[in-house]
Amino acid sequence: EVQLVESGGGLVQPGGSLRLSCAASGFTFSNYSMNWVRQAPGKGLEWISYITTGSRAIYYADSVKGRFIISRDNAKNSLYVQMNSLRDEDTAVYYCARGHTAMGLWGQGTLVTVSS
Amino acid sequence: EIVLTQSPATLSLSPGERATLSCRASQSVSSYLAWYQQKPGQAPRLLIYDASNRATGIPARFSGSGSGTDFTLTITSLQPEDFAVYYCQQRSDWPLTFGGGTKVEIK
Repeated sequence: EVQLVESGGGLVQPGGSLRLSCAASGFTFSNYSMNWVRQAPGKGLEWISYITTGSRAIYYADSVKGRFIISRDNAKNSLYVQMNSLRDEDTAVYYCARGHTAMGLWGQGTLVTVSS
Repeated sequence: EIVLTQSPATLSLSPGERATLSCRASQSVSSYLAWYQQKPGQAPRLLIYDASNRATGIPARFSGSGSGTDFTLTITSLQPEDFAVYYCQQRSDWPLTFGGGTKVEIK
Protein backbone atom coordinates (compact mmCIF):
# COMPACT_ATOMS: atom_id res chain seq x y z
CA GLU A 1 0.00 0.00 0.00
CA VAL A 2 1.25 3.45 -0.92
CA GLN A 3 1.39 5.48 2.28
CA LEU A 4 3.15 7.97 4.49
CA VAL A 5 3.14 7.56 8.26
CA GLU A 6 4.26 10.36 10.57
CA SER A 7 5.51 9.82 14.11
CA GLY A 8 7.30 11.68 16.87
CA GLY A 9 4.67 14.17 17.93
CA GLY A 10 3.83 14.92 21.53
CA LEU A 11 3.86 17.51 24.29
CA VAL A 12 6.94 19.71 24.58
CA GLN A 13 7.70 22.81 26.61
CA PRO A 14 8.37 26.16 24.97
CA GLY A 15 12.00 26.36 23.94
CA GLY A 16 12.23 22.60 23.62
CA SER A 17 13.01 20.37 20.67
CA LEU A 18 11.30 17.54 18.87
CA ARG A 19 12.11 15.41 15.83
CA LEU A 20 9.32 14.20 13.59
CA SER A 21 9.67 11.30 11.19
CA CYS A 22 7.71 10.29 8.12
CA ALA A 23 8.02 6.71 6.91
CA ALA A 24 7.22 6.07 3.26
CA SER A 25 6.14 2.75 1.80
CA GLY A 26 4.68 1.34 -1.38
CA PHE A 27 6.56 3.64 -3.74
CA THR A 28 10.12 4.64 -4.66
CA PHE A 29 10.72 7.31 -2.03
CA SER A 30 13.98 8.51 -3.57
CA ASN A 31 12.13 9.60 -6.72
CA TYR A 32 9.98 12.19 -4.97
CA SER A 33 10.53 15.57 -3.41
CA MET A 34 8.82 15.95 -0.04
CA ASN A 35 7.15 18.58 2.12
CA TRP A 36 6.14 19.25 5.68
CA VAL A 37 2.81 21.05 6.12
CA ARG A 38 1.18 21.93 9.42
CA GLN A 39 -2.28 22.86 10.62
CA ALA A 40 -2.88 24.66 13.89
CA PRO A 41 -6.06 23.65 15.75
CA GLY A 42 -9.09 24.97 13.89
CA LYS A 43 -6.93 26.79 11.34
CA GLY A 44 -5.87 26.38 7.74
CA LEU A 45 -2.90 24.68 6.13
CA GLU A 46 0.60 26.16 6.36
CA TRP A 47 3.48 24.83 4.26
CA ILE A 48 6.70 24.86 6.28
CA SER A 49 9.45 23.04 4.38
CA TYR A 50 10.45 21.26 1.18
CA ILE A 51 13.34 19.01 0.17
CA THR A 52 14.31 17.67 -3.23
CA THR A 53 15.04 14.03 -3.98
CA GLY A 54 18.79 14.28 -3.36
CA SER A 55 18.52 16.95 -0.65
CA ARG A 56 20.28 19.48 -2.87
CA ALA A 57 17.52 22.07 -2.59
CA ILE A 58 15.76 22.90 0.66
CA TYR A 59 13.25 25.66 1.38
CA TYR A 60 11.58 26.89 4.55
CA ALA A 61 8.74 29.16 5.50
CA ASP A 62 9.90 32.29 7.29
CA SER A 63 7.97 31.19 10.38
CA VAL A 64 10.35 28.25 10.94
CA LYS A 65 13.54 29.33 9.20
CA GLY A 66 16.53 29.03 11.52
CA ARG A 67 14.64 26.80 13.95
CA PHE A 68 13.55 23.77 11.88
CA ILE A 69 15.76 21.49 9.79
CA ILE A 70 14.33 19.16 7.15
CA SER A 71 16.26 16.07 6.07
CA ARG A 72 15.73 12.71 4.43
CA ASP A 73 17.32 9.28 4.32
CA ASN A 74 16.49 7.63 1.03
CA ALA A 75 18.02 4.34 2.17
CA LYS A 76 15.52 4.26 5.03
CA ASN A 77 12.61 5.69 3.00
CA SER A 78 12.22 8.37 5.62
CA LEU A 79 11.72 12.11 5.90
CA TYR A 80 12.49 14.10 9.04
CA VAL A 81 12.09 17.52 10.55
CA GLN A 82 14.14 18.60 13.55
CA MET A 83 12.22 21.29 15.39
CA ASN A 84 14.16 23.48 17.82
CA SER A 85 13.29 26.51 19.93
CA LEU A 86 9.64 25.54 19.82
CA ARG A 87 7.01 28.18 20.50
CA ASP A 88 3.37 28.06 21.52
CA GLU A 89 2.42 28.97 17.94
CA ASP A 90 4.12 25.81 16.62
CA THR A 91 1.29 23.76 18.14
CA ALA A 92 -0.27 21.96 15.19
CA VAL A 93 -0.84 18.71 13.38
CA TYR A 94 2.21 18.12 11.21
CA TYR A 95 1.76 16.35 7.89
CA CYS A 96 4.34 15.05 5.46
CA ALA A 97 3.24 15.31 1.84
CA ARG A 98 4.75 13.97 -1.37
CA GLY A 99 5.51 15.96 -4.46
CA HIS A 100 6.16 19.43 -5.84
CA THR A 101 3.88 19.70 -8.90
CA ALA A 102 1.19 18.95 -6.35
CA MET A 103 1.06 17.23 -2.98
CA GLY A 104 -0.61 14.07 -4.12
CA LEU A 105 -0.01 11.87 -1.09
CA TRP A 106 -0.34 12.88 2.57
CA GLY A 107 0.24 11.13 5.84
CA GLN A 108 -2.36 11.08 8.60
CA GLY A 109 -0.47 13.69 10.62
CA THR A 110 1.13 13.83 14.04
CA LEU A 111 0.13 16.32 16.74
CA VAL A 112 2.73 18.56 18.32
CA THR A 113 1.64 20.51 21.38
CA VAL A 114 3.92 23.20 22.74
CA SER A 115 2.88 24.14 26.25
CA SER A 116 4.27 24.59 29.72
CA GLU B 1 5.16 36.01 -0.54
CA ILE B 2 2.21 35.22 -2.79
CA VAL B 3 -1.05 35.60 -0.89
CA LEU B 4 -4.00 33.47 -1.96
CA THR B 5 -7.44 34.79 -1.05
CA GLN B 6 -10.33 32.34 -1.17
CA SER B 7 -13.95 33.34 -1.36
CA PRO B 8 -16.46 32.93 -0.01
CA ALA B 9 -15.30 31.77 3.39
CA THR B 10 -18.42 29.63 3.71
CA LEU B 11 -20.75 28.36 1.01
CA SER B 12 -24.12 26.98 2.11
CA LEU B 13 -25.67 24.75 -0.53
CA SER B 14 -27.96 21.76 -0.88
CA PRO B 15 -27.00 18.38 -2.35
CA GLY B 16 -27.32 18.46 -6.11
CA GLU B 17 -26.51 22.15 -6.38
CA ARG B 18 -23.52 23.62 -8.17
CA ALA B 19 -20.63 24.98 -6.10
CA THR B 20 -18.29 27.67 -7.39
CA LEU B 21 -15.23 28.45 -5.28
CA SER B 22 -12.79 31.27 -6.01
CA CYS B 23 -9.07 31.66 -5.36
CA ARG B 24 -7.31 34.92 -6.17
CA ALA B 25 -3.53 35.33 -6.09
CA SER B 26 -1.74 38.54 -5.13
CA GLN B 27 0.45 38.14 -8.22
CA SER B 28 0.46 35.84 -11.21
CA VAL B 29 1.07 32.16 -10.47
CA SER B 30 0.65 31.16 -14.13
CA SER B 31 -1.19 27.81 -13.97
CA TYR B 32 0.71 26.55 -10.92
CA LEU B 33 -2.29 26.20 -8.69
CA ALA B 34 -3.71 23.17 -6.93
CA TRP B 35 -6.94 22.47 -5.04
CA TYR B 36 -7.35 20.21 -2.02
CA GLN B 37 -10.32 18.88 -0.09
CA GLN B 38 -10.18 18.29 3.65
CA LYS B 39 -12.79 16.63 5.82
CA PRO B 40 -12.78 16.83 9.64
CA GLY B 41 -10.09 14.72 11.22
CA GLN B 42 -8.59 13.77 7.87
CA ALA B 43 -5.55 14.77 5.86
CA PRO B 44 -6.07 16.93 2.79
CA ARG B 45 -6.69 15.21 -0.53
CA LEU B 46 -5.46 16.52 -3.86
CA LEU B 47 -8.27 17.28 -6.30
CA ILE B 48 -6.80 19.46 -9.04
CA TYR B 49 -3.23 20.34 -10.03
CA ASP B 50 -1.85 22.89 -12.45
CA ALA B 51 -5.19 24.72 -12.40
CA SER B 52 -7.26 22.28 -14.41
CA ASN B 53 -5.91 18.75 -14.19
CA ARG B 54 -7.89 16.30 -12.10
CA ALA B 55 -5.81 14.08 -9.84
CA THR B 56 -6.09 10.31 -10.11
CA GLY B 57 -9.44 9.00 -8.96
CA ILE B 58 -11.14 12.37 -8.65
CA PRO B 59 -14.71 12.38 -10.02
CA ALA B 60 -15.49 14.38 -13.13
CA ARG B 61 -17.90 16.63 -11.21
CA PHE B 62 -14.81 18.45 -9.91
CA SER B 63 -13.21 20.86 -12.36
CA GLY B 64 -10.70 23.66 -12.13
CA SER B 65 -10.14 26.67 -14.33
CA GLY B 66 -8.20 29.90 -14.48
CA SER B 67 -4.69 31.21 -14.91
CA GLY B 68 -2.66 34.16 -13.76
CA THR B 69 -4.36 35.48 -10.65
CA ASP B 70 -7.95 34.19 -10.81
CA PHE B 71 -8.94 30.57 -10.36
CA THR B 72 -12.17 28.65 -9.86
CA LEU B 73 -13.02 25.23 -8.51
CA THR B 74 -16.43 24.02 -9.66
CA ILE B 75 -18.37 21.09 -8.29
CA THR B 76 -21.22 20.54 -10.73
CA SER B 77 -23.62 18.59 -8.52
CA LEU B 78 -22.80 18.39 -4.85
CA GLN B 79 -22.82 14.93 -3.35
CA PRO B 80 -23.16 14.35 0.42
CA GLU B 81 -19.46 13.45 0.62
CA ASP B 82 -18.41 16.77 -0.95
CA PHE B 83 -19.27 18.87 2.09
CA ALA B 84 -15.83 19.78 3.36
CA VAL B 85 -13.21 22.52 3.40
CA TYR B 86 -11.39 23.33 0.17
CA TYR B 87 -7.95 24.93 -0.10
CA CYS B 88 -6.02 26.33 -3.03
CA GLN B 89 -2.19 26.26 -3.09
CA GLN B 90 0.39 27.83 -5.38
CA ARG B 91 3.76 26.45 -6.40
CA SER B 92 4.84 29.36 -8.59
CA ASP B 93 7.24 30.79 -6.04
CA TRP B 94 8.75 30.14 -2.64
CA PRO B 95 7.38 30.00 -0.06
CA LEU B 96 4.59 27.73 -1.17
CA THR B 97 1.34 29.16 0.13
CA PHE B 98 -2.20 28.02 0.76
CA GLY B 99 -5.39 30.00 0.70
CA GLY B 100 -7.43 30.36 3.86
CA GLY B 101 -10.01 27.83 2.75
CA THR B 102 -13.68 27.73 1.77
CA LYS B 103 -16.05 25.63 3.83
CA VAL B 104 -18.84 24.05 1.81
CA GLU B 105 -21.65 23.28 4.23
CA ILE B 106 -25.07 21.75 3.92
CA LYS B 107 -27.84 24.31 3.69
